[in-house]
Amino acid sequence: DAGVIQSPRHEVTEMGQEVTLRCKPISGHDYLFWYRQTMMRGLELLIYFNNNVPIDDSGMPEDRFSAKMPNASFSTLKIQPSEPRDSAVYFCASKLDPYQPQHFGDGTRLSIL
Amino acid sequence: SQQGEEDPQALSIQEGENATMNCSYKTSINNLQWYRQNSGRGLVHLILIRSNEREKHSGRLRVTLDTSKKSSSLLITASRAADTASYFCATDRVGETSGSRLTFGEGTQLTVNP
Repeated sequence: DAGVIQSPRHEVTEMGQEVTLRCKPISGHDYLFWYRQTMMRGLELLIYFNNNVPIDDSGMPEDRFSAKMPNASFSTLKIQPSEPRDSAVYFCASKLDPYQPQHFGDGTRLSIL
Repeated sequence: SQQGEEDPQALSIQEGENATMNCSYKTSINNLQWYRQNSGRGLVHLILIRSNEREKHSGRLRVTLDTSKKSSSLLITASRAADTASYFCATDRVGETSGSRLTFGEGTQLTVNP
């Protein structure tokens, strides 16, 4: 089975630009998570969805960040406008139900110049 | 702040030796999980231990959990160069919607020298 698929793998853009990160969870998984990983702050949960509904977005750093899950097989994380401090690796993860482990994608390495 | 704190931050051993990593946490948990992250890749789930379990094995991995001390350890026996990675503990905390949210520690960087 295909794992969690994220695109793009790398993104380099200038500050002020809009950035859209994409995630395709494992088919049948009801939970989807967006994380950010940096050296300074480690792995932080930004938001998670259950059955396409956002459940907890308390980790979203500011209004510049937004996430959507229009259907069970696709989610986006958008940053507008982007800033250099948003540079990080962004991971998407999914899981089947509350009692199963999370499956991670390989991440998007984002650099904002 | 991070719920889990791993110790040590970095560990370098020779192939064939055992590697032990520790994790401490602060609040009551439903379960504790260990993940591995290879450089440039996502996290991979290794093992889950529930709060009512004290020890669990999976292949060369052995995990212990001491809820009275709020700590866990991950032992990798007969290490291989391919075990070189970062290892993270993650807690599913009581009070959170069960199983829906994990809090990750800062990780231990393990280097296994051939």
